Amino acid sequence: DIVMTQSPLSLPVTPGEPASISCRSSQSLLYSDGHNYLDWYLQKPGQSPQLLIYLASSRASGVPDRFSGSGSGTDFTLKISRVEAEDVGVYYCMEALQTPGTFGQGTKLEIK
Amino acid sequence: EVQLVQSGAEVKKPGESLKISCKASGYSFSSYWIGWVRQMPGKGLEWMGIIYPGDFDTRYSPSFQGQVTISADKSISTAYLQWSSLKASDTAIYYCARRRVESSTSSGKVFYFYYGIDVWGHGTTVTVSS
Repeated sequence: DIVMTQSPLSLPVTPGEPASISCRSSQSLLYSDGHNYLDWYLQKPGQSPQLLIYLASSRASGVPDRFSGSGSGTDFTLKISRVEAEDVGVYYCMEALQTPGTFGQGTKLEIK
Repeated sequence: EVQLVQSGAEVKKPGESLKISCKASGYSFSSYWIGWVRQMPGKGLEWMGIIYPGDFDTRYSPSFQGQVTISADKSISTAYLQWSSLKASDTAIYYCARRRVESSTSSGKVFYFYYGIDVWGHGTTVTVSS
C-alpha cells in the first residue's frame, strides 16, 4: 500500500501571505503515461471535500489561480500565493495511482 | 448538472444491518467509477472502496475488505454501501464520490485521461449506539 505523509499538520497563516503544504508518497506516483497521479482536496468546515488540483499540477474547474500544485515522483507541494479567509479548512493530498486511492492525514489551515 | 444525492442520516444499534445509497444524475452512471469515503468524527478521509457500474468491477481498501459491501444498480443510477452487522466504531460520515476518467480513441488505440475525484455527495451521517 502507498502511504501519504503531509506536513505541516497545522498551518496558521496571515491573510495575504503565502502558504505551502508538502506531501510525500511512499512510492513514486509517476505513471508510464508521464503523469503524476497526485490530487489535492480542500474540505471547508461542515462541507464535503472539493477537488483543487489533479495530476499534481492541473487546476480543477473554478479553482482560483492563487492555488498551484507542483512536484514529481514522491514529493509534491500545494502553494497558495495569497491566503484569503475563505481558504480555511483541511487540505488533503491523495494518490490516485491506485483505485481507490489513499489520502494523506490532512493539513488544517487557519487564519491568524 | 452532475450530482450525487445521498440518503439521509441513520441511527442504528450495534449488530443491526444498514444500506445507504447515492443517486447519480447528470452523467452516464455506467461510465465512471463511484466510491465511498469514510470520515470518523474529527478525523481525516479514508477510501473504503469503489465500483465501476459498467461491469461491476469492485475494489476495496484493505482495511475495509470483508467489512462492507459496495454495489450498484445501473437501472436507477444508484450506488450502495452496506453493513451486515454494525459496530459503534462505524459511527462516521460517509461520502460517495465520482472518479472522473475520460477516454478517447485514436488510430485504434484507447487513451484515458484522469480528472480527479470531481463530484462528491453531501455525506450521510451514520450513528451506531446502544
